[in-house]
Amino acid sequence: EVQLVESGGGLVQPGGSLRLSCADSGFTFSSHWMYWVRQAPGKGLEWVANINQDGSEKYYVDSVKGRFTISRDNAKNSLYLQMNILRAEDTAVYYCAGGNAMDYWGQGTPVTVSS
Amino acid sequence: QSVLTQPPSASGTPGQRVTISCSGSSSNIGSYNVSWYQHLPGTAPKLLIYSDNQRPSGVPDRFSGSKSGTSASLAISGLQSEDEADYYCATWDDSLNGWVFGGGTKLTVL
Repeated sequence: EVQLVESGGGLVQPGGSLRLSCADSGFTFSSHWMYWVRQAPGKGLEWVANINQDGSEKYYVDSVKGRFTISRDNAKNSLYLQMNILRAEDTAVYYCAGGNAMDYWGQGTPVTVSS
Repeated sequence: QSVLTQPPSASGTPGQRVTISCSGSSSNIGSYNVSWYQHLPGTAPKLLIYSDNQRPSGVPDRFSGSKSGTSASLAISGLQSEDEADYYCATWDDSLNGWVFGGGTKLTVL
C-alpha cells in the first residue's frame, strides 16, 4: 500500500523559513512526478509546485516563485519543499502527492506563518 | 477566483444521481486531461477520476467522468451518505504553465 508521510510543518514568523519533507513507502517513487499542494484555512486546494522523475523539470505557482524550491532525493524516496521569505498568506496545510495525476496523497502537514 | 469554475455547492438524497460541472478554457480543459478528487478536510485527498473518464482501481463505478470541449463533469450515481465531501477538478494550464484546481464543490447528502 502506498504511503506518503509529510513532516516539517509548524509555526514560523513572517520572513522565516521552513523545509517540508515527504517520505514515500510502498511506491515506486523514482518513477513518478511529485507535487506539493496546499489548502489555506477555509479555502480550496491550490497546486504549489511539481517536479519530474529525475528533478530536471520544476514548476511553481506564481505566488511562490523565487521563494520556494522543490527537490527530491530518489535514493531516499523523499520529496522536499524549501520555503523561504514566508508570508501570512502561505499559512495552509501542505500535502505531497505523487503519480501522473496526483494519484497518491499524504495526510498533510500544517504551516502557520504568524508573529 | 479559480481558473476552473465549479459550483460551490451541490446536494442530493440517497440513491439520487448528482452531477458536478467544471468549466475552463482552451488553455486547460480544452487541451489536457482532467482529474477529479474527493476531499474530506483534515484527510488525504483521493483521486476519483483521471484522464477525463478513467477510474483508479478501488473507486466504485458509481463515479464517472466526462469531458466536452472546455468543460468537464463528475457524475455520482446511487448517492450515499459517505459521498458527502468536497470535490475538485484539476488539469494543466498552458497559459499559467502549471496545474490548476477548480474552486471545489461541497456535496451534501440530504
